Amino acid sequence: SQQGEEDPQALSIQEGENATMNCSYKTSINNLQWYRQNSGRGLVHLILIRSNEREKHSGRLRVTLDTSKKSSSLLITASRAADTASYFCATDVGAAGNKLTFGGGTRVLVKP
Amino acid sequence: SQTIHQWPATLVQPVGSPLSLECTVEGTSNPNLYWYRQAAGRGLQLLFYSVGIGQISSEVPQNLSASRPQDRQFILSSKKLLLSDSGFYLCAWSVNYNEQFFGPGTRLTVL
Repeated sequence: SQQGEEDPQALSIQEGENATMNCSYKTSINNLQWYRQNSGRGLVHLILIRSNEREKHSGRLRVTLDTSKKSSSLLITASRAADTASYFCATDVGAAGNKLTFGGGTRVLVKP
Repeated sequence: SQTIHQWPATLVQPVGSPLSLECTVEGTSNPNLYWYRQAAGRGLQLLFYSVGIGQISSEVPQNLSASRPQDRQFILSSKKLLLSDSGFYLCAWSVNYNEQFFGPGTRLTVL
């Protein structure tokens, strides 16, 4: 089974609204990362949050981490049509090779 | 600055044919390298990773193999492709246990 699982699987919002997606995982982690993927393209790293951090911001992105609940959330504020993409969380459990385990992703559609 | 290249971008191959996908990284030394496969509408499955030249770790049993003949070159191969090998293959690199940087991917269709 996957270490990280995103919820919801799909999200449709109007431009200007906020988009929130959640990620749950099963084991202790070193860090949790969020990535974005436009259709048919490679993934782009958004934010890395370490296990001793609770919240991080980057521009219109806000990530929270609750290690007691083994969950994280990604908030995109004031969404734009260009934010339309799939968003993935990935967990780093400190295994050899800096391996990441990815969730199934949340597909976000921002309607203009 | 660092860049990562993958080729080809798309590939259509018959069942039973061989496969060779190449990934090269520029602008960094001794990176960790990774091959992932992504099925349509799904997350990424780690296939192989490498922490150095000639060092390959396989994550799932499969019809594929990987090699790292040079520090910044990672190759994914198969002797005989199966229909189930179709998918989107992504190469990535990382250093110092931080984020991973992905290539543009190769779309493989096995017919």
